[in-house]
Amino acid sequence: DAGITQSPRHKVTETGTPVTLRCHQTENHRYMYWYRQDPGHGLRLIHYSYGVKDTDKGEVSDGYSVSRSKTEDFLLTLESATSSQTSVYFCAISEPGLAGGREQFFGPGTRLTVL
Amino acid sequence: AQKVTQAQTEISVVEKEDVTLDCVYETRDTTYYLFWYKQPPSGELVFLIRRNSFDEQNEISGRYSWNFQKSTSSFNFTITASQVVDSAVYFCALSDAQGAQKLVFGQGTRLTINP
Repeated sequence: DAGITQSPRHKVTETGTPVTLRCHQTENHRYMYWYRQDPGHGLRLIHYSYGVKDTDKGEVSDGYSVSRSKTEDFLLTLESATSSQTSVYFCAISEPGLAGGREQFFGPGTRLTVL
Repeated sequence: AQKVTQAQTEISVVEKEDVTLDCVYETRDTTYYLFWYKQPPSGELVFLIRRNSFDEQNEISGRYSWNFQKSTSSFNFTITASQVVDSAVYFCALSDAQGAQKLVFGQGTRLTINP
């Protein structure tokens, strides 16, 4: 199994508070991603990173920011949490392969509830 | 824009029955990749298969098989002789071949295998 951890695994917070989720990998993979999972939507990409300090927006990036200061860590921040950001958040990693395509490996997820 | 549709929201079968999960995709790219992931009740996402758009050969892995047809833009997943442990949510996903190869997921199909 890919070495990916997420912290915290569960969090309950109040509307308007800042929240930071951490993804840590031990695989030295170049690409890291943040997705959110909601019923009826599958998983949707929030932000991704293609290297240290190199990040870009995904499909549902509004209200989120990210940072990657080290290869192994990718942080997702909700500057001012809203109830619509209640979700399960997954981090994923991938590495370019010789064959071109590559799968993403996912962390265990963080369940966030915004009251 | 890329899109993945899993029209079957929920499927329930009796153990030992064969079951097929449908996946239809949309893309304008000539090179792309298709994936299936499994999410058991414990919540983690498990990679099952990756398929290259140039390779339409069907694939079999034990009781699992995948049928990729570019003519109908479909990548269906069949479980033969289903078992209770196959109960999970299954996601089909699509990525392009550029850069981060971001995944676009279908909505998922919840499969319940009843003893």
